[in-house]
Amino acid sequence: GESVGLHLPTLSVQEGDNSIINCAYSNSASDYFIWYKQESGKGPQFIIDIRSNMDKRQGQRVTVLLNKTVKHLSLQIAATQPGDSAVYFCAEPPVGAGGTSYGKLTFGQGTILTVHP
Amino acid sequence: EAGVTQFPSHSVIEKGQTVTLRCDPISGHDNLYWYRRVMGKEIKFLLHFVKESKQDESGMPNNRFLAERTGGTYSTLKVQPAELEDSGVYFCASSQWYDTQYFGPGTRLTVL
Repeated sequence: GESVGLHLPTLSVQEGDNSIINCAYSNSASDYFIWYKQESGKGPQFIIDIRSNMDKRQGQRVTVLLNKTVKHLSLQIAATQPGDSAVYFCAEPPVGAGGTSYGKLTFGQGTILTVHP
Repeated sequence: EAGVTQFPSHSVIEKGQTVTLRCDPISGHDNLYWYRRVMGKEIKFLLHFVKESKQDESGMPNNRFLAERTGGTYSTLKVQPAELEDSGVYFCASSQWYDTQYFGPGTRLTVL
């Protein structure tokens, strides 16, 4: 469930299940998106990115899907493990960054993922 | 290669006191960013250095916050005087130009 004092979306899954974490954006001109994972007591860690000329990008156990029509992206984690428990943030740099990470990143509110053994 | 380091990891101070946070970026990274996460909300941008110059300080909340990066290496973020609403986790990130921003572990600041 949701931790007291926090108002972040939460997702609880069983180990081995697939997880889907969602993020909406508002600027139709946004051209680059990044997913970060933040474990307790650590800083955000880069997971995967996607540019707007792509609909899908796959990494190791992670897939990001981008739906530009509804301005939505999702992070799919396959065979979720307890070590995946963390807060997941989507982020985007300024539109003028030309599809790079240069400049101010704007983060989404984050989703708390809890994986139960 | 060492990652971004931040000091201290935790700081607890009284309202009205001064606190200085330090960030050491990855060696060779000209871009250095400060962000903070307050009360479990989203991470918010504070400012961006390119070498020793402030490229973008649009996120600095008020003049109680002062960031410096003398010599273009490490950076400090001073809060003077600290207020209750300044409590949160302050992150530093660095990057090589257009590359990925790599974050440090953060400094948790508690203002009582």
